[in-house]
Amino acid sequence: GENVEQHPSTLSVQEGDSAVIKCTYSDSASNYFPWYKQELGKGPQLIIDIRSNVGEKKDQRIAVTLNKTAKHFSLHITETQPEDSAVYFCALNGVEVDSNYQLIWGAGTKLIIKP
Amino acid sequence: KAGVTQTPRYLIKTRGQQVTLSCSPISGHRSVSWYQQTPGQGLQFLFEYFSETQRNKGNFPGRFSGRQFSNSRSEMNVSTLELGDSALYLCASMEGTRETQYFGPGTRLLVL
Repeated sequence: GENVEQHPSTLSVQEGDSAVIKCTYSDSASNYFPWYKQELGKGPQLIIDIRSNVGEKKDQRIAVTLNKTAKHFSLHITETQPEDSAVYFCALNGVEVDSNYQLIWGAGTKLIIKP
Repeated sequence: KAGVTQTPRYLIKTRGQQVTLSCSPISGHRSVSWYQQTPGQGLQFLFEYFSETQRNKGNFPGRFSGRQFSNSRSEMNVSTLELGDSALYLCASMEGTRETQYFGPGTRLLVL
């Protein structure tokens, strides 16, 4: 079945630097790629998503890029701040059951912003 | 609109007991999915309910079950609890198909 590989599992960056998290997948039929942020003690929250008809989407300091040919998509956070410290999950619409796509999740990346 | 709510937020049970968790989706959302998250692990999909019917199911034993009511509220039940069931249980609601999932804060279950 569909699988999503997320790297790295832990990322430590200096405050103000950029962070990049990458996910690779195998099913070329996937066309929806969200990113979620999970802070300590909370449920994951959507921070940005992209559909397959675009290659890049940006929202202030956060951007997502998609390379459908190479089957990978990445989350880019610029000018990192302490509040960016969290676990980030990528996902994509994978298994189809009765015209409904179930999200397939990456294993998560723990992002640590060093002051 | 109010977000997804889950009750209770914390729960302590002993092995062999059973537990029921509740999830109220965002108003108007008809899909509710349940996930198990253990420390250091990703999100393990349990099942999804849509209009009171189970639409998708993950690879969990039959001890894990769920249901959805006509008002879209959903409950998850775990029978004969095991130590390994200790986890954060998250529910997420969705308006339709192929759309964004909105998560609740989770119920943290500890099995002793």
